[in-house]
Amino acid sequence: DAKTTQPPSMDCAEGRAANLPCNHSTISGNEYVYWYRQIHSQGPQYIIHGLKNNETNEMASLIITEDRKSSTLILPHATLRDTAVYYCIVRVDGSSNTGKLIFGQGTTLQVKP
Amino acid sequence: NAGVMQNPRHLVRRRGQEARLRCSPMKGHSHVYWYRQLPEEGLKFMVYLQKENIIDESGMPKERFSAEFPKEGPSILRIQQVVRGDSAAYFCASSPQPFPSVNTEAFFGQGTRLTVV
Repeated sequence: DAKTTQPPSMDCAEGRAANLPCNHSTISGNEYVYWYRQIHSQGPQYIIHGLKNNETNEMASLIITEDRKSSTLILPHATLRDTAVYYCIVRVDGSSNTGKLIFGQGTTLQVKP
Repeated sequence: NAGVMQNPRHLVRRRGQEARLRCSPMKGHSHVYWYRQLPEEGLKFMVYLQKENIIDESGMPKERFSAEFPKEGPSILRIQQVVRGDSAAYFCASSPQPFPSVNTEAFFGQGTRLTVV
């Protein structure tokens, strides 16, 4: 699986957009980008995933660059409850599905009032 | 539809005792995954099970750890002769189909926090 690089921490003002970057320069053509988050003391929560097109759901938007070497997770209006560790994970989709997500250190997002 | 249920939420064991962690997947989910999170570290994959079968146990320590997912009942992660280094949060996830794949994601439970004293 491709390795990902994320900044260790970020701050965001409540009500503003939070933009969390992720580099995955060694990503291959059949690998998806997944985002999970972990709020303190809770289990990881799925946010969104995509292959090459931008994706949006009720939680967030995922912007993937044209060369797919990086992506940005956007929380459009961050709230205090969005304070969490955000993990960007690259995973192959296909026959080798084993549930083996490789979590890095993630980005600790602190939303401030 | 209840989420993934793990119990107990907190477990304290003395060194040398056995720890049993239980995971009830979401209704209709037959794929279960266990992850471990050591203090101040990220989550690490341990094992993937489908009903009555271990599919991938490449992340399981070679000794003292075992997992099962019987035809009936919850999945069990068993740690024999616990040591202080086993103290961690253990998370279980489940999915309706093999994960990850484009049309499914895994849902995680709230975890069991094991403390070995």
